[in-house]
Amino acid sequence: DVQLVESGGGLVQPGGSLRLSCAASGLTFSNYWMGWVRQAPGKGLECVATISKDGSEEYYVDSVKGRFTISRDNAKNSLYLQMNNLRVEDTAVYYCARNYGHCFDYWGPGTLVIVSS
Amino acid sequence: DVVMTQSPLSLPVTLGQPASISCRSSQSLVYSDGNTHLNWFLQRPGQSPRRLIYKVSNRDSGVPDRFSGSGSGTDFTLKISRVEADDVGVYYCMQGKDWPWTFGQGTKVEIK
Repeated sequence: DVQLVESGGGLVQPGGSLRLSCAASGLTFSNYWMGWVRQAPGKGLECVATISKDGSEEYYVDSVKGRFTISRDNAKNSLYLQMNNLRVEDTAVYYCARNYGHCFDYWGPGTLVIVSS
Repeated sequence: DVVMTQSPLSLPVTLGQPASISCRSSQSLVYSDGNTHLNWFLQRPGQSPRRLIYKVSNRDSGVPDRFSGSGSGTDFTLKISRVEADDVGVYYCMQGKDWPWTFGQGTKVEIK
């Protein structure tokens, strides 16, 4: 079974940085695009970023461009999201997800990021 | 960005009765490969979203056949033939045609 487990969330001040990690198992990680989706408290879902199988292509939603960087380490079956210059509106649960067939088909349980002073 | 609009946003249903959720996109979801990339998810309380339907009408493994998806172009529907207690949660449609992929606002299904 595919398992995705996020870590690295927490409380950070506005303007601060945080790095999220996602450990993947039960799949040949290097065969799949991967991505991050977030959900603000009590709100809907927003696709944040996605990365190609070998890490050569990255795509972001406009609201995080220039501040967030998605990356991966296929040798470690791991996905990352480096978040810089965080804003209050970045507060959300961040989900790691497998990108297959124009969709995020498997999701992790999520990690909560709170940006507050 | 492609705007996804769901209705209704709240859907009280009686156990054993059918339910239907509509999803409309601001542009056609037919991709250059000929596929229509419209997906449905269920997010149960306290859980991460789980995909139910992909490419309009294909059920994911383990999804009961009381769930069905239909539609084309910009108009799509998720139907539950007979609602069970386990079906409670928020349903989202999502387009995978153009990045950033976008979701509808969600439809909260609850038992009357």
